Parts: sequence; C-alpha cells; structure tokens
Amino acid sequence: GENVEQHPSTLSVQEGDSAVIKCTYSDSASNYFPWYKQELGKRPQLIIDIRSNVGEKKDQRIAVTLNKTAKHFSLHITETQPEDSAVYFCAASTRNTDKLIFGTGTRLQVFP
Amino acid sequence: DVKVTQSSRYLVKRTGEKVFLECVQDMDHENMFWYRQDPGLGLRLIYFSYDVKMKEKGDIPEGYSVSREKKERFSLILESASTNQTSMYLCASTINTEAFFGQGTRLTVV
Repeated sequence: GENVEQHPSTLSVQEGDSAVIKCTYSDSASNYFPWYKQELGKRPQLIIDIRSNVGEKKDQRIAVTLNKTAKHFSLHITETQPEDSAVYFCAASTRNTDKLIFGTGTRLQVFP
Repeated sequence: DVKVTQSSRYLVKRTGEKVFLECVQDMDHENMFWYRQDPGLGLRLIYFSYDVKMKEKGDIPEGYSVSREKKERFSLILESASTNQTSMYLCASTINTEAFFGQGTRLTVV
C-alpha cells in the first residue's frame, strides 16, 4: 500500500522567513496530494492541494510543488506569520478512492 | 458548511470495556473514514466505508471494528479496550477527495 514520509518533524523559523516541508510517496498510482493544517486543539483543514497533471500550484503565500518522477512533493510558505504556527500534514491518494494516506506531520513554529 | 460531528470530545474507559465512538456528517457524503492521531505517527487509517453496510480495513484495523447502518453515521468500535488504544480519534467524510474532519475524540483507556 501507499506510504508517505514527511520531513522535518519540527521546523522553527523567524517571522518573515520562508518554510519548506517535504514529502515522498511510494505508490506511483497516487495522483492527488493535499496539505492539511491543524492548529492547536482544532481539526485538520485543507489548505492547498495538487493533482498529478500539475507541477506547481500557488495560493497567496503558500505553494505546493510536485515531482512525479522522484515521487516528491513540497509545501512552501513565504513571509511566514505567527498564525502559520501549526502542525502540517501532507497526504496522498489515488484516483477515485478518496482514501488519504497521511505523512507523520511537521510542527511549524513561527517566532515573532 | 460541512459538519462532521463526533459524539464525545473526551472519553475515559476501563481496560476490557467495549467502546463506541460515533460520527455523523450532514452533507450526504458517501465516503467516511476513521483515523487515529498519535504524536510522531501522524494520522493512521483504521477503517473506511464507501457506502452503507460497506467497510474496508485501513492500515491499522486490529482491535477495531466499524458499523455503517445509515449513510450519515459511521461508528468505530473497540471490542475490548486496551491501554495501547489511548489516542485521539478523528472521523472524516470526503467529497471530491477533500476530507472534512470531526473535532476528534480523545480516548483514554485506564
């Protein structure tokens, strides 16, 4: 089955700096890669996603890149703010299944 | 707004008890999932269901079962709770691959 690895497990940055979180997946049939943000005490919520027919997607300060050949995808947050502090999860799923396999999470701390 | 509601926010149960965790969604989604969340291990899939009375094992089904008698309700059952099942349990329903999570149930087995 699918396996998703996520690095780093913790990441501390100064406000205004950029943050990058990386994931790798094992199943070449995976074609959907979402990112979820979980603030302390709250439920995970989708912040951005990318499908396998696209190499990059941006939404304001966040972007996701996908390298299908290497089975890598990454989340990029620019101009980080304290409210970006949370746990971020990457995930992968295959077409028509909706079955999401998650990475182990990255705790991002943004210091003012 | 999609609502996924879990019946309890916190539960404390004794070893050997049968435990029911309930999840209800109000958006007529067909797909529902149960995950457990542990520090350093992320979200691990326990069971999922694509339709009423249908269930499939996820990556860590041992010690758990599920029930889906109605489309909107998906129950996770711990047949005989053990201390290693102490965890945060998250239910989710999906539409067009986007998952909507419940608020989570923090279960402590003593």
